[in-house]
Amino acid sequence: DQQVKQNSPSLSVQEGRISILNCDYTNSMFDYFLWYKKYPAEGPTFLISISSIKDKNEDGRFTVFLNKSAKHLSLHIVPSQPGDSAVYFCAARTSGSRLTFGEGTQLTVNP
Amino acid sequence: DAGVIQSPRHEVTEMGQEVTLRCKPISGHDYLFWYRQTMMRGLELLIYFNNNVPIDDSGMPEDRFSAKMPNASFSTLKIQPSEPRDSAVYFCASRSGQGVGNQPQHFGDGTRLSIL
Repeated sequence: DQQVKQNSPSLSVQEGRISILNCDYTNSMFDYFLWYKKYPAEGPTFLISISSIKDKNEDGRFTVFLNKSAKHLSLHIVPSQPGDSAVYFCAARTSGSRLTFGEGTQLTVNP
Repeated sequence: DAGVIQSPRHEVTEMGQEVTLRCKPISGHDYLFWYRQTMMRGLELLIYFNNNVPIDDSGMPEDRFSAKMPNASFSTLKIQPSEPRDSAVYFCASRSGQGVGNQPQHFGDGTRLSIL
């Protein structure tokens, strides 16, 4: 049972444009959501997070939106840069410390 | 600051051999996590510790897998005997339980394990 799903395995955008990565979840008990970025041969790196009591969190070029009624979150990157090319994972947590990860979306930003 | 350190980075061994993966968490972090990443199952949690005590090992696939944390700065994940289906990238992560609000997990660069 995949509780966190990233339905787009890949996304390609032009440099300078907006990248929108999407994530859906099924467990209404999730209370904290995170986005990680992963380069090849490296571990995932924390990007940004949002608590379930908020609907938006912004950090520089990165903004995460949470729609609890739709059980949907998204990561916006604007403007996109070639260095943003990586695999992006969304993750969700219930109370406690266990994280459930999505399958990942490969983002390619073309110069 | 040093991040999470895992060793070895790569391990190739024959089926039936014992495999030991090592992890040094970030100093001061009191939670440690072991994950496995495969094409079929993605990134899945195997076990996590809090203050060196195993809290949730429900993700450990079977008795061939064991994990220990003898002190706050060291953990091992052992597979004995190893099988080809154990081939994967194994990640260790740590996080702080201190401070206000939620703290993210910080990952090491992983151990790529190949069982022949």
